[in-house]
Amino acid sequence: ETVMTQSPATLSVSPGETVTLSCRASQSISSSLAWYQQKPGQAPRLLIQFASTRATGIPARFSGSGSGTEFTLTISSLQSEDFGVYFCQQYHSWPPLTFGGGTKVEIK
Amino acid sequence: EVNLLESGGGLVQPGGSLRLTCAGSGFIFRSYAMSWVRQAPGKGLEWVSDISGDGYKTYTADSVRGRFTISRDNSKNTLSFQMNNLRAEDTAVYYCARKPGSRGDPAFFDSWGQGTVVIVSS
Repeated sequence: ETVMTQSPATLSVSPGETVTLSCRASQSISSSLAWYQQKPGQAPRLLIQFASTRATGIPARFSGSGSGTEFTLTISSLQSEDFGVYFCQQYHSWPPLTFGGGTKVEIK
Repeated sequence: EVNLLESGGGLVQPGGSLRLTCAGSGFIFRSYAMSWVRQAPGKGLEWVSDISGDGYKTYTADSVRGRFTISRDNSKNTLSFQMNNLRAEDTAVYYCARKPGSRGDPAFFDSWGQGTVVIVSS
């Protein structure tokens, strides 16, 4: 099983700041990584697939990078609607498909 | 617009059964593999089960194998999840989610339902 580890667990940021979230895989997953955003009481929403390709309708301030075992999600000029929990997910080796534990982005 | 609507959740005693259903609309249902993903209270996401677009290939997490069964009825655009011998640790929000493509290959989830709550407690 490929274990996904996200850091930090929580980020306290102010609107307008740029944030970088990290996701590490326990083994190489090439570029088979997705990022999701989840707000309280809502389902996750796909942001990024194939490590760096934005999903349909996702603003350009969201960008993903990385390959192999190290990945980052960058949110430029954070907006109020961007606060929530972000999860990474690998789809290189399965079953099982595995998710990271999440990073909570909260208002400072 | 893609729409996934889950139903069937509720409160059940340990050892009991529930059947979840997910109704899909706004897309050609049989052309997409579908999955169940769950989230325990205050926890992260856990993939549980997958089924290919034609229903012939299924995959299930070790944690529920032998107790939970995924199926689909493409004539009714519905995904089902039969959950037997439920345990307290199965308490979670259960989401149905769509994967791009029909083959059931490993992939991400491009659309999600709003989820249905399952509580296993005496």
